[in-house]
Amino acid sequence: EVQLVESGGGLVQPGRSLRLSCAASGFSFDGYAMHWVRQAPGKGLEWVSGISWNSGDIGYVDSVKGRFTISRDNAKKSLYLLMNSLRADDTADYYCVKGGSPAVYYYGMDVWGQGTTVTVSS
Amino acid sequence: NFMLTQPHSVSESPGKTVTISCSRSSGSVASTYVQWYQQRPGSSPTTLILADNERLSGVPDRFSGSIDRSSNSASLTISGLKTEDEADYYCQSYDTGKVVFGGGTKLTVL
Repeated sequence: EVQLVESGGGLVQPGRSLRLSCAASGFSFDGYAMHWVRQAPGKGLEWVSGISWNSGDIGYVDSVKGRFTISRDNAKKSLYLLMNSLRADDTADYYCVKGGSPAVYYYGMDVWGQGTTVTVSS
Repeated sequence: NFMLTQPHSVSESPGKTVTISCSRSSGSVASTYVQWYQQRPGSSPTTLILADNERLSGVPDRFSGSIDRSSNSASLTISGLKTEDEADYYCQSYDTGKVVFGGGTKLTVL
């Protein structure tokens, strides 16, 4: 069974940092792009970042560029999101999502994790 | 940059058919694949349709996706509506260097 399990969310003060992790199992992790998608309370889905199978292609939504860094460790079958300089509008549920192909911008996303909640507040 | 515009909400009766539209503001809807996701209340999203019209394994054939070049839009059609189909539905496609989601459509089955 394909499974994605996020961790690392929590309550953090504005300006601080947080690192999200996603543990993958049940598929060939190193063969697929991976994404982070977030959903603010009561709002729709927003793509945050994506990384290709070999980390050769990485993208971010404009609002997090320069603050967030996506990375992956194929040996550990893990995806990460380092979030610096957090702001109140980063408050959301963050989902780890498996891409449908090795490329970031091609074949959609086919498996979603259960999400981890990030709350940025003083 | 382009936007994907969905109706905020739609409603229909059980057993009927409903179509949710997803209009692309610029560029051709056929130039990049369109995906559809379902999010039931209190749950994570799940994927229904990849690559315009490919149902994921396990998704009932009551769900179908299509694109229309003349209206530059994509559509998700759900036939034989069930109360369990009540959920938010999101379309998604790609722009240069980014992933674009529609704003979502709340489907009420009443």
